[in-house]
Amino acid sequence: EAGVTQFPSHSVIEKGQTVTLRCDPISGHDNLYWYRRVMGKEIKFLLHFVKESKQDESGMPNNRFLAERTGGTYSTLKVQPAELEDSGVYFCASSQASAQTGELFFGEGSRLTVL
Amino acid sequence: AQKVTQAQTEISVVEKEDVTLDCVYETRDTTYYLFWYKQPPSGELVFLIRRNSFDEQNEISGRYSWNFQKSTSSFNFTITASQVVDSAVYFCALNTDEETSGSRLTFGEGTQLTVNP
Repeated sequence: EAGVTQFPSHSVIEKGQTVTLRCDPISGHDNLYWYRRVMGKEIKFLLHFVKESKQDESGMPNNRFLAERTGGTYSTLKVQPAELEDSGVYFCASSQASAQTGELFFGEGSRLTVL
Repeated sequence: AQKVTQAQTEISVVEKEDVTLDCVYETRDTTYYLFWYKQPPSGELVFLIRRNSFDEQNEISGRYSWNFQKSTSSFNFTITASQVVDSAVYFCALNTDEETSGSRLTFGEGTQLTVNP
């Protein structure tokens, strides 16, 4: 069974440009989460989808970040325009609806470098 | 507000040594869950354990053991007879019932463990 896959693994862009990160969760997982780790600090929650609906987006840093999950399958996270402080590793995680709280399957992350 | 502190940024040991990774948490909630995740060099976080606040019984799984002490708000992780394959970043995390999202985890900053042959 395929795990959570994220694309691209690494993206380098200039300040002001746009980047779109993609996450394919494990098939059948209704819950999808985005987290971010900046500068070797703690991993911070960004948002949570249940199927195609945003359950909790309180961790999104500002309106330059837009997450979508059309059809309840894969998700995209777009940063537009990117700023230097957006650099970090963006993790996607998924879980089944019946899963116990916190038992998430994570992808390998997408490293974003904004120059 | 919730907070997780992993005071050890990096630990380096020699193979077969025992090593303990510290985790201290803060929460006002009486019901909460604690976790440890492992991040190997490949990058993905791998779930290791989940503990709820009402179960202070220590747990052992092979060479791994966890010591949960509510009195000191700690949830420490010990690897016995460490191996090179244990080298990874280890994250401690917290989730409370009052969170709106079921698996909104509060993570610590992680501890980089290096096991040398």
